[in-house]
Amino acid sequence: QKEVEQNSGPLSVPEGAIASLNCTYSDRGSQSFFWYRQYSGKSPELIMSIYSNGDKEDGRFTAQLNKASQYVSLLIRDSQPSDSATYLCAGYSNSGYALNFGKGTSLLVTP
Amino acid sequence: DVKVTQSSRYLVKRTGEKVFLECVQDMDHENMFWYRQDPGLGLRLIYFSYDVKMKEKGDIPEGYSVSREKKERFSLILESASTNQTSMYLCASSQHTGGSDTQYFGPGTRLTVL
Repeated sequence: QKEVEQNSGPLSVPEGAIASLNCTYSDRGSQSFFWYRQYSGKSPELIMSIYSNGDKEDGRFTAQLNKASQYVSLLIRDSQPSDSATYLCAGYSNSGYALNFGKGTSLLVTP
Repeated sequence: DVKVTQSSRYLVKRTGEKVFLECVQDMDHENMFWYRQDPGLGLRLIYFSYDVKMKEKGDIPEGYSVSREKKERFSLILESASTNQTSMYLCASSQHTGGSDTQYFGPGTRLTVL
């Protein structure tokens, strides 16, 4: 079973702080990873994708991938209350069709 | 912008009814997916399709079937709805196979089976 693991949280950070969300995966063949944000009662929306080892930055968001350690992370700088949501990590299975999703980490940004 | 639409946001059905959930995407994507999402269980893949009339079982296909007669439309069918199929159903689409394509989600259908 190819798994993507996330700490369910909740992760609570004060407004303006850096939120660090982590994800590990078991399938060494996974090449591409995605972070989705999901507000309560809504569908997931893409935040970041990352395909290569290292960091990828987009505004306040930085995704990090370490394939040797099978580890993906998402940093949110200057966290805002509007960032409060569940963050889903996902990686492709060997078949290349299906994304394996983690169960998500709940983030709460307190004013 | 990619747009994935689902036929209903909320649906209430009775046990034993046949239920159709429709999904339409407007970006000419080859791949389409149906997931269900339940608290504590995360997103689970029911079926996916990589071309018209082609389908593959996901992790939890039991009790479901699908139909893809046109490239833009992917239907999920509950032949005889049961209470354990009460869930949030999410449709997604992506460009093509290759293991790097973003999946875009529709707004979801919250189905309640009484």
